[in-house]
This record gives sequence, structure tokens and C-alpha cells, in this order.
Amino acid sequence: EIAMTQSPATLSVSPGERATLSCRASQSVSSNLAWYQQKPGQAPRLLVYGASTRATGVSARFSGSGSGTEFTLTISSLQSEDFAVYYCQQYNNWPPYTFGQGTKLEIK
Amino acid sequence: EVQLVESGGGLVQPGGSLRLSCTASGFTFSIYSMNWVRQAPGKGLEWLSYISSAGGVTIYYADSVKGRFTISRDDADNSLYLQMNSLRAEDTAVYYCARGVGYCSGGSCHNWFDPWGQGTLVTVSS
Repeated sequence: EIAMTQSPATLSVSPGERATLSCRASQSVSSNLAWYQQKPGQAPRLLVYGASTRATGVSARFSGSGSGTEFTLTISSLQSEDFAVYYCQQYNNWPPYTFGQGTKLEIK
Repeated sequence: EVQLVESGGGLVQPGGSLRLSCTASGFTFSIYSMNWVRQAPGKGLEWLSYISSAGGVTIYYADSVKGRFTISRDDADNSLYLQMNSLRAEDTAVYYCARGVGYCSGGSCHNWFDPWGQGTLVTVSS
């Protein structure tokens, strides 16, 4: 089973600034990595798949990068609606599909 | 609009059973694989089960639910199900259904999840 580790657990950033979230896989997952955003009381929403391809309708402020075991989600110029919990998920070696434990992005 | 709507959650005693449903609309349900994912209160996401497209010949479960939960689908009714037996307190969570979207290459398929339903809460307590 591939373990996904996200860092930091909580990230405090001011509106208008840039946020960088990290996700590490215990072994290579190639580019088979997705990012999801979850707001309180809502279902997760797909942001990025294939490590760097934005999902339909996702703002260009969101960008994903990386391959193998190291991945990054960057959110430029944070807006109020961006403060949420973000999860990475590998879909390279499954079952099981595995998620990171999440990074909570909060307002500084 | 592509949409998934779960139902069937509620309060159940330890050792009891519950059947969750997920109704799909806005897309051709039969050609997509489907999944169940849960989220315990204040915790992260845990994948539970996968069923392949077109009748669901291929099924997988997480070790945490293997032997207790059963996934199924009715393509004629655009519906996904999760039969949950021998429920435990640690099964308390919001349960989401999610469509698998992706590609197949070299004999392997790689799917991310999009969209997700709004979730249904299952509480296991006496």
C-alpha cells in the first residue's frame, strides 16, 4: 500500500499571498496524483489530476507540479474562498486508492 | 448537470446493518466505474470500495470493510449501493459515492474521482 504524506498539516497565509502545499508518496506514483479541495460541510471537489492538469472550471490560480514521489499544489494570490482543506490522492498503484491526511489552509 | 446523490444514512446500533444508495444523473452511468469513500468526524478521506463499469464484474474493498460491506450497482436504474453489515462504532462517518474518471494503459486503469456526492451520515451507536 502506498502511503501519502502531506505537509504542513496547517498552513496560515494572508489573502493575496501564495500558498504552497506538499504531498509525498512512499513510492513512485508516476504522475497519477490528484488534488481535492474540501470546504466545511461539503464534499471534496477535484482540482487537479495527472499531477498538473486543472479540472474543468478550476481557477488558473491553482497549479500542480511534480512526479514520482514529490508533488506540490500552489495557489497564487489567495482569495477568501480558497481557505479549505486540501487532500492529495494517488491512483497509480491500487487497490487501495490512498489519500494524504490533508492540509488545512487557514487565514493568517 | 452531472450529479450524484446519496441516501440511506442514519443511526444504527453496533452489529446492525444499513444499505446506502447513490443515484446518478447527467451522465451515462453504465460506462463509469464507481467508488465509495468515507470520512470519519474530523478526519481525512478513506477509500472503501470500487466497482467496475458495465455491470460491475470487478470489485475491490479496503481491508477495513472486507467481508462486512458489499458494493453493487444497477445500471438500468443509474444506482450504486453499499450494503453495510456488522457495523462498528468506528464505521461512523460521512459516506460519499464518487465517479471514477481516467484512463487505461498497459493493462492498468488509473482513475481519479469526479464528481462526489454530497455524502450521507452513518452513525453507529447504542
